[in-house]
Amino acid sequence: SQTIHQWPATLVQPVGSPLSLECTVEGTSNPNLYWYRQAAGRGLQLLFYSVGIGQISSEVPQNLSASRPQDRQFILSSKKLLLSDSGFYLCAWTSFNYGYTFGSGTRLTVV
Amino acid sequence: GIQVEQSPPDLILQEGANSTLRCNFSDSVNNLQWFHQNPWGQLINLFYIPSGTKQNGRLSATTVATERYSLLYISSSQTTDSGVYFCAPTPTGGFKTIFGAGTRLFVKA
Repeated sequence: SQTIHQWPATLVQPVGSPLSLECTVEGTSNPNLYWYRQAAGRGLQLLFYSVGIGQISSEVPQNLSASRPQDRQFILSSKKLLLSDSGFYLCAWTSFNYGYTFGSGTRLTVV
Repeated sequence: GIQVEQSPPDLILQEGANSTLRCNFSDSVNNLQWFHQNPWGQLINLFYIPSGTKQNGRLSATTVATERYSLLYISSSQTTDSGVYFCAPTPTGGFKTIFGAGTRLFVKA
């Protein structure tokens, strides 16, 4: 069966520090992968999506970047965090005719 | 891009009551999902329903794609149903799913 792993669950980082969040999928190949952010406990904003290795589309210009070094690995990064980067980050995958499956999320607080 | 409107934004129910959540969307879609986000943040896929009606226990969903709306029906609500319910359509020809703002449900014991 397909599973998705996302870590860490919580993270507290100082302003200006780097960020790396990792997401891996098991049990499927060539999935579409997504990073979403949720602020204030409501509403999900699509940040990045990827339809294949090395293929990244950005939805919102911001302080973050994404990479997909392997088929089932999706990484969200920042060189220097801002206070406004705080939020709940969710990774998700889909494949043909199969709906979204979300990871358990990372709650990031930038202090 | 597609606009997604969910109603009501907030809902308080007494345990055992029934409710209907609505999702309106502005463009044609090739699929639509309903999610429940529990108090710990986990998003659970309830239904994958581009059209028609599906039922799963006390929950059912109906999507009328031609009229651009979907309904989520919760019967005999339980306290564990509390959380936020999201509607998420994917526009026709695309694979980016857009989430509504959600309906926040609180079920009182």
